[in-house]
Amino acid sequence: TQLLEQSPQFLSIQEGENLTVYCNSSSVFSSLQWYRQEPGEGPVLLVTVVTGGEVKKLKRLTFQFGDARKDSSLHITAAQPGDTGLYLCAGAGNTDKLIFGTGTRLQVFP
Amino acid sequence: KAGVTQTPRYLIKTRGQQVTLSCSPISGHRSVSWYQQTPGQGLQFLFEYFSETQRNKGNFPGRFSGRQFSNSRSEMNVSTLELGDSALYLCASSLVLAGGSSYNEQFFGPGTRLTVL
Repeated sequence: TQLLEQSPQFLSIQEGENLTVYCNSSSVFSSLQWYRQEPGEGPVLLVTVVTGGEVKKLKRLTFQFGDARKDSSLHITAAQPGDTGLYLCAGAGNTDKLIFGTGTRLQVFP
Repeated sequence: KAGVTQTPRYLIKTRGQQVTLSCSPISGHRSVSWYQQTPGQGLQFLFEYFSETQRNKGNFPGRFSGRQFSNSRSEMNVSTLELGDSALYLCASSLVLAGGSSYNEQFFGPGTRLTVL
């Protein structure tokens, strides 16, 4: 069974701080996605990474896919209250199903 | 382009009842997946439909079923509701590339919040 563990589970920081969220597995994924979900809404896709070692930047967000395609990280620079939400990684594995991570709940205080 | 829509947004049922949830995918998306989200278990895959056929299934009991219509709209049904079925049910659509393989990028609807009393 393919599992994705995210850490930390909860993160509470002040506006302007930097943070990193990790997504780890013992399985290899063909691609990995990051989503953000706000209360009362469905997850919204932020990025897809497909190549081992790939780094993608989306304004203040930097996503990296591990060389072995088993892990990923999301780094946020100078966090803002608008970054508050549940961050989910999701891996495409050996079936067409997406395996979602356990989630990281981020709260950014002004 | 309109996003994924789900109806109803909120639903309250009692144990033993059944419920049907509806999902309209993004125009042109032929794959529809359903997920259950709870605080304890996170986001869990229920099933995926493509061309009116169930293509993938998660580890849920047979009380959970679904179907897809020719216009790609989908419904899921839960029979004999239990307290533990209280959750946010999310529908997601995705674009299917030539050959029938989904690209896996999921576009989610806002969900249906089901409460079982």
